[in-house]
Amino acid sequence: KQEVTQIPAALSVPEGENLVLNCSFTDSAIYNLQWFRQDPGKGLTSLLLIQSSQREQTSGRLNASLDKSSGRSTLYIAASQPGDSATYLCAALMDSSYKLIFGSGTRLLVRP
Amino acid sequence: ETGVTQTPRHLVMGMTNKKSLKCEQHLGHNAMYWYKQSAKKPLELMFVYSLEERVENNSVPSRFSPECPNSSHLFLHLHTLQPEDSALYLCASSPGREGDEQFFGPGTRLTVL
Repeated sequence: KQEVTQIPAALSVPEGENLVLNCSFTDSAIYNLQWFRQDPGKGLTSLLLIQSSQREQTSGRLNASLDKSSGRSTLYIAASQPGDSATYLCAALMDSSYKLIFGSGTRLLVRP
Repeated sequence: ETGVTQTPRHLVMGMTNKKSLKCEQHLGHNAMYWYKQSAKKPLELMFVYSLEERVENNSVPSRFSPECPNSSHLFLHLHTLQPEDSALYLCASSPGREGDEQFFGPGTRLTVL
């Protein structure tokens, strides 16, 4: 059974700092991995999707990496801003399925 | 309207009420999903429809009844719910092939009294 874990559960950093959010999964037979952002009480915004054949994806100040063999993905946020404050979720899609397995999220606070 | 929309955004209901949640996607996608997000638990997949056919039912109690009349609309009919069913219910859509990126709506915050 696939399990997705995110560490840390919460993170508080000063503005301008570079930071890394971690995601691990137990079953390496994933099709892809998505990173989402969720603001309080709101839906999910897709940030990056990494196919299983890829090692990383970049969008602006965000960079996500994937290492299937070790069951890990990281989301790197450069030069963090207060507007980056949100909960970040990673989700693994299992091979040939529609089923996204979510982690519990990392709650990020960027202090001005 | 663009993307994935959900109505209502907030709903309060008693345990004996019957209500429905509505989701509409304006992306031309063929697959639609219902997810449940409870406090302090990871997001859980409830149902998946592909081309209006249910392809996944994740052991959801029968008091939740999905309906997909066409590829743009998805409903979740609710009856005799329990207080522990209070949660944020999220709808998503994807182009339709397994493995496609999923796009989410803003959610309906449900409170069962």
